[in-house]
Amino acid sequence: DGGITQSPKYLFRKEGQNVTLSCEQNLNHDAMYWYRQDPGQGLRLIYYSQIVNDFQKGDIAEGYSVSREKKESFPLTVTSAQKNPTAFYLCASSMLQSYSNQPQHFGDGTRLSIL
Amino acid sequence: AQKITQTQPGMFVQEKEAVTLDCTYDTSDPSYGLFWYKQPSSGEMIFLIYQGSYDQQNATEGRYSLNFQKARKSANLVISASQLGDSAMYFCAMREGGDYKLSFGAGTTVTVRA
Repeated sequence: DGGITQSPKYLFRKEGQNVTLSCEQNLNHDAMYWYRQDPGQGLRLIYYSQIVNDFQKGDIAEGYSVSREKKESFPLTVTSAQKNPTAFYLCASSMLQSYSNQPQHFGDGTRLSIL
Repeated sequence: AQKITQTQPGMFVQEKEAVTLDCTYDTSDPSYGLFWYKQPSSGEMIFLIYQGSYDQQNATEGRYSLNFQKARKSANLVISASQLGDSAMYFCAMREGGDYKLSFGAGTTVTVRA
Protein backbone atom coordinates (compact mmCIF):
# COMPACT_ATOMS: atom_id res chain seq x y z
CA ASP A 1 0.00 0.00 0.00
CA GLY A 2 1.20 3.49 -0.77
CA GLY A 3 1.78 5.78 2.12
CA ILE A 4 4.13 7.76 4.31
CA THR A 5 6.32 6.11 6.91
CA GLN A 6 7.71 8.07 9.80
CA SER A 7 10.23 6.64 12.23
CA PRO A 8 10.76 6.31 15.05
CA LYS A 9 7.35 6.62 16.65
CA TYR A 10 8.90 7.91 19.89
CA LEU A 11 12.24 9.67 20.27
CA PHE A 12 14.10 11.06 23.24
CA ARG A 13 16.74 13.74 23.00
CA LYS A 14 19.43 14.60 25.47
CA GLU A 15 20.48 18.19 26.03
CA GLY A 16 22.83 19.40 23.32
CA GLN A 17 22.10 16.47 21.04
CA ASN A 18 20.96 16.52 17.43
CA VAL A 19 18.34 13.98 16.44
CA THR A 20 16.99 13.02 13.03
CA LEU A 21 13.42 12.07 12.23
CA SER A 22 12.86 9.90 9.19
CA CYS A 23 10.13 10.36 6.59
CA GLU A 24 9.74 8.12 3.56
CA GLN A 25 6.90 8.11 1.01
CA ASN A 26 6.05 5.77 -1.85
CA LEU A 27 3.21 7.84 -3.26
CA ASN A 28 5.44 9.32 -5.99
CA HIS A 29 4.67 12.80 -4.66
CA ASP A 30 6.99 15.66 -5.55
CA ALA A 31 6.23 17.84 -2.53
CA MET A 32 7.01 16.97 1.08
CA TYR A 33 6.44 18.87 4.30
CA TRP A 34 7.34 18.84 7.98
CA TYR A 35 4.97 20.14 10.64
CA ARG A 36 5.25 20.60 14.37
CA GLN A 37 2.23 20.17 16.64
CA ASP A 38 2.21 21.23 20.27
CA PRO A 39 -0.40 19.80 22.68
CA GLY A 40 -3.90 21.03 21.92
CA GLN A 41 -2.72 23.17 19.04
CA GLY A 42 -2.71 23.22 15.28
CA LEU A 43 0.09 22.32 12.89
CA ARG A 44 2.89 24.73 12.12
CA LEU A 45 5.05 24.37 9.04
CA ILE A 46 8.76 23.84 9.63
CA TYR A 47 10.16 23.14 6.15
CA TYR A 48 8.87 22.03 2.79
CA SER A 49 10.35 20.77 -0.45
CA GLN A 50 8.92 20.73 -3.93
CA ILE A 51 11.80 19.07 -5.71
CA VAL A 52 14.89 17.03 -4.98
CA ASN A 53 17.83 19.06 -3.65
CA ASP A 54 15.64 22.07 -2.96
CA PHE A 55 13.67 23.10 0.13
CA GLN A 56 12.23 26.22 1.73
CA LYS A 57 11.77 27.42 5.28
CA GLY A 58 8.33 27.42 6.74
CA ASP A 59 7.04 29.49 9.64
CA ILE A 60 9.20 27.98 12.40
CA ALA A 61 12.42 26.75 10.74
CA GLU A 62 14.86 27.97 13.41
CA GLY A 63 16.63 25.10 15.14
CA TYR A 64 15.74 22.60 12.41
CA SER A 65 17.40 21.40 9.22
CA VAL A 66 16.32 19.14 6.36
CA SER A 67 17.67 17.48 3.25
CA ARG A 68 16.03 16.15 0.11
CA GLU A 69 18.51 13.91 -1.67
CA LYS A 70 15.86 11.53 -2.94
CA LYS A 71 12.29 12.10 -4.02
CA GLU A 72 11.05 9.53 -1.52
CA SER A 73 12.86 10.81 1.54
CA PHE A 74 12.74 14.04 3.54
CA PRO A 75 14.52 13.66 6.91
CA LEU A 76 14.25 16.35 9.58
CA THR A 77 17.07 17.08 12.02
CA VAL A 78 16.21 18.75 15.28
CA THR A 79 19.39 20.50 16.29
CA SER A 80 20.64 21.51 19.72
CA ALA A 81 19.71 25.08 18.76
CA GLN A 82 16.05 24.15 19.09
CA LYS A 83 15.54 24.89 22.79
CA ASN A 84 12.02 23.55 23.07
CA PRO A 85 11.89 20.49 20.85
CA THR A 86 9.26 18.52 22.76
CA ALA A 87 6.36 18.16 20.31
CA PHE A 88 4.62 15.87 17.87
CA TYR A 89 6.18 15.99 14.40
CA LEU A 90 4.20 15.17 11.30
CA CYS A 91 5.51 14.60 7.80
CA ALA A 92 3.25 15.03 4.77
CA SER A 93 3.45 14.80 1.00
CA SER A 94 1.35 15.97 -1.90
CA MET A 95 1.20 16.15 -5.65
CA LEU A 96 2.50 19.30 -7.29
CA GLN A 97 -0.61 20.62 -8.95
CA SER A 98 -1.51 24.26 -8.62
CA TYR A 99 -5.08 25.02 -7.57
CA SER A 100 -5.60 21.32 -6.94
CA ASN A 101 -8.14 19.63 -4.72
CA GLN A 102 -5.61 16.94 -3.88
CA PRO A 103 -4.95 16.87 -0.13
CA GLN A 104 -1.69 16.46 1.69
CA HIS A 105 -1.18 12.92 2.96
CA PHE A 106 0.30 12.47 6.41
CA GLY A 107 2.45 9.96 8.22
CA ASP A 108 1.64 8.70 11.71
CA GLY A 109 4.01 11.13 13.38
CA THR A 110 6.97 11.07 15.76
CA ARG A 111 6.72 12.16 19.38
CA LEU A 112 9.92 13.83 20.52
CA SER A 113 10.71 14.42 24.17
CA ILE A 114 13.68 15.77 26.10
CA LEU A 115 15.38 13.48 28.58
CA ALA B 1 -3.08 37.70 11.40
CA GLN B 2 -4.59 34.25 11.69
CA LYS B 3 -5.53 32.82 8.32
CA ILE B 4 -7.75 30.10 9.79
CA THR B 5 -9.82 30.58 12.93
CA GLN B 6 -11.57 27.78 14.78
CA THR B 7 -13.30 29.30 17.77
CA GLN B 8 -14.57 26.13 19.44
CA PRO B 9 -11.82 24.44 21.48
CA GLY B 10 -14.07 21.52 22.42
CA MET B 11 -17.55 20.21 21.83
CA PHE B 12 -19.71 17.40 23.15
CA VAL B 13 -22.31 15.71 20.96
CA GLN B 14 -24.73 12.91 21.62
CA GLU B 15 -24.39 9.79 19.53
CA LYS B 16 -26.55 9.87 16.37
CA GLU B 17 -26.91 13.64 16.49
CA ALA B 18 -25.34 16.14 14.08
CA VAL B 19 -22.56 18.55 15.04
CA THR B 20 -21.27 21.67 13.29
CA LEU B 21 -17.65 22.75 13.60
CA ASP B 22 -16.92 26.37 12.80
CA CYS B 23 -14.13 27.58 10.56
CA THR B 24 -13.54 31.11 9.29
CA TYR B 25 -10.69 32.07 7.02
CA ASP B 26 -8.90 35.17 5.84
CA THR B 27 -7.45 35.57 2.38
CA SER B 28 -7.36 38.18 -0.37
CA ASP B 29 -6.69 35.59 -3.06
CA PRO B 30 -9.82 34.81 -5.10
CA SER B 31 -8.63 31.23 -5.65
CA TYR B 32 -8.21 29.05 -2.59
CA GLY B 33 -9.02 25.62 -1.25
CA LEU B 34 -10.31 24.58 2.13
CA PHE B 35 -9.61 21.19 3.70
CA TRP B 36 -10.86 19.45 6.80
CA TYR B 37 -8.81 16.81 8.59
CA LYS B 38 -9.59 14.49 11.49
CA GLN B 39 -6.93 13.62 14.05
CA PRO B 40 -7.79 10.73 16.41
CA SER B 41 -5.91 10.35 19.67
CA SER B 42 -3.40 8.09 17.88
CA GLY B 43 -2.15 11.16 16.03
CA GLU B 44 -2.53 10.48 12.32
CA MET B 45 -4.19 13.13 10.15
CA ILE B 46 -7.08 11.85 8.06
CA PHE B 47 -8.36 13.94 5.15
CA LEU B 48 -12.14 14.34 5.23
CA ILE B 49 -13.40 16.84 2.70
CA TYR B 50 -12.38 19.62 0.32
CA GLN B 51 -14.08 22.82 -0.86
CA GLY B 52 -12.71 24.98 -3.64
CA SER B 53 -13.43 28.70 -3.75
CA TYR B 54 -15.02 28.43 -7.17
CA ASP B 55 -17.10 25.36 -6.40
CA GLN B 56 -20.76 26.14 -6.92
CA GLN B 57 -22.05 23.53 -4.54
CA ASN B 58 -21.24 22.67 -0.97
CA ALA B 59 -18.98 19.63 -0.73
CA THR B 60 -20.29 16.39 0.71
CA GLU B 61 -18.53 13.11 1.56
CA GLY B 62 -20.68 10.52 3.24
CA ARG B 63 -21.64 11.85 6.68
CA TYR B 64 -19.46 14.94 6.20
CA SER B 65 -20.67 18.08 4.52
CA LEU B 66 -19.41 21.61 4.25
CA ASN B 67 -21.54 24.68 4.86
CA PHE B 68 -19.57 27.05 2.63
CA GLN B 69 -20.51 30.73 2.90
CA LYS B 70 -18.07 32.56 0.71
CA ALA B 71 -19.22 36.09 1.49
CA ARG B 72 -18.81 35.42 5.20
CA LYS B 73 -15.55 33.54 4.63
CA SER B 74 -16.72 30.54 6.57
CA ALA B 75 -16.49 26.83 5.83
CA ASN B 76 -18.18 24.96 8.63
CA LEU B 77 -17.98 21.17 8.79
CA VAL B 78 -21.17 19.28 9.55
CA ILE B 79 -20.94 15.71 10.81
CA SER B 80 -24.29 13.98 10.65
CA ALA B 81 -25.38 10.97 12.70
CA SER B 82 -22.36 11.15 15.02
CA GLN B 83 -20.65 7.90 15.99
CA LEU B 84 -18.38 7.13 18.92
CA GLY B 85 -15.53 6.80 16.44
CA ASP B 86 -15.97 10.43 15.46
CA SER B 87 -14.39 11.50 18.76
CA ALA B 88 -11.22 13.27 17.63
CA MET B 89 -9.67 16.63 16.96
CA TYR B 90 -10.77 18.32 13.73
CA PHE B 91 -8.69 20.81 11.80
CA CYS B 92 -9.64 23.27 9.11
CA ALA B 93 -6.86 24.21 6.67
CA MET B 94 -6.50 26.52 3.67
CA ARG B 95 -4.35 26.61 0.56
CA GLU B 96 -4.16 30.00 -1.16
CA GLY B 97 -3.81 30.53 -4.87
CA GLY B 98 -1.33 28.25 -6.57
CA ASP B 99 0.59 27.66 -3.37
CA TYR B 100 1.10 24.12 -2.07
CA LYS B 101 1.40 24.98 1.61
CA LEU B 102 -1.47 24.67 4.06
CA SER B 103 -2.34 26.99 6.92
CA PHE B 104 -4.06 25.17 9.79
CA GLY B 105 -6.47 26.34 12.46
CA ALA B 106 -6.02 25.48 16.12
CA GLY B 107 -8.53 22.65 15.91
CA THR B 108 -11.74 21.60 17.66
CA THR B 109 -11.94 18.55 19.89
CA VAL B 110 -15.17 16.60 19.45
CA THR B 111 -16.31 14.10 22.06
CA VAL B 112 -19.23 11.87 21.16
CA ARG B 113 -21.27 10.62 24.11
CA ALA B 114 -23.16 7.32 24.05
